[in-house]
Amino acid sequence: KQEVTQIPAALSVPEGENLVLNCSFTDSAIYNLQWFRQDPGKGLTSLLLIQSSQREQTSGRLNASLDKSSGRSTLYIAASQPGDSATYLCAVKTGTASKLTFGTGTRLQVTL
Amino acid sequence: DTGVSQNPRHKITKRGQNVTFRCDPISEHNRLYWYRQTLGQGPEFLTYFQNEAQLEKSRLLSDRFSAERPKGSFSTLEIQRTEQGDSAMYLCASSLARAGENQPQHFGDGTRLSIL
Repeated sequence: KQEVTQIPAALSVPEGENLVLNCSFTDSAIYNLQWFRQDPGKGLTSLLLIQSSQREQTSGRLNASLDKSSGRSTLYIAASQPGDSATYLCAVKTGTASKLTFGTGTRLQVTL
Repeated sequence: DTGVSQNPRHKITKRGQNVTFRCDPISEHNRLYWYRQTLGQGPEFLTYFQNEAQLEKSRLLSDRFSAERPKGSFSTLEIQRTEQGDSAMYLCASSLARAGENQPQHFGDGTRLSIL
């Protein structure tokens, strides 16, 4: 059974700092890994999708990496802004299943 | 592309009542998913459809829960005889499944259910 863990559970950084969020998964037979952002009381916004054959994906100030063999992914946020404050979730699609298995998220606060 | 739409946004009901939620996926998407999210947790998979066929159901989906996607477009999730433990955010997602491709799932804003 796939299990996804995200560390840290919460993070507070001053504006302008670069930061790294971590995601680990127990079953390396994944099809893809997706990073999402969730604002309080809202749904999920897809940030980046990394296919199992890829090592990284970039979108603006965001860069996600994937090391399938070690069961790890990182989300790098450059030059953080207060508007980046949200919960960040990673999710994996494993084996023949279509469903996503989610971590519990990292709650990020970027302070002025 | 208007995104995934869910109604209602909030539902408050008494224990024992039946509730029904609706999800309208992105128009060309053939896959539709339901997830449940409780406070401080990540979403948990409930069920998914490819077109009108329900292809997988989680063990979380007790016999009080039923989902339909009658014409392969919108979907409904019904909970009968609601219990306190059903209080959660119910999220719908959709994706376009093509052979050999893994497309991202796109989520709606969810329906927040509160059981009194």
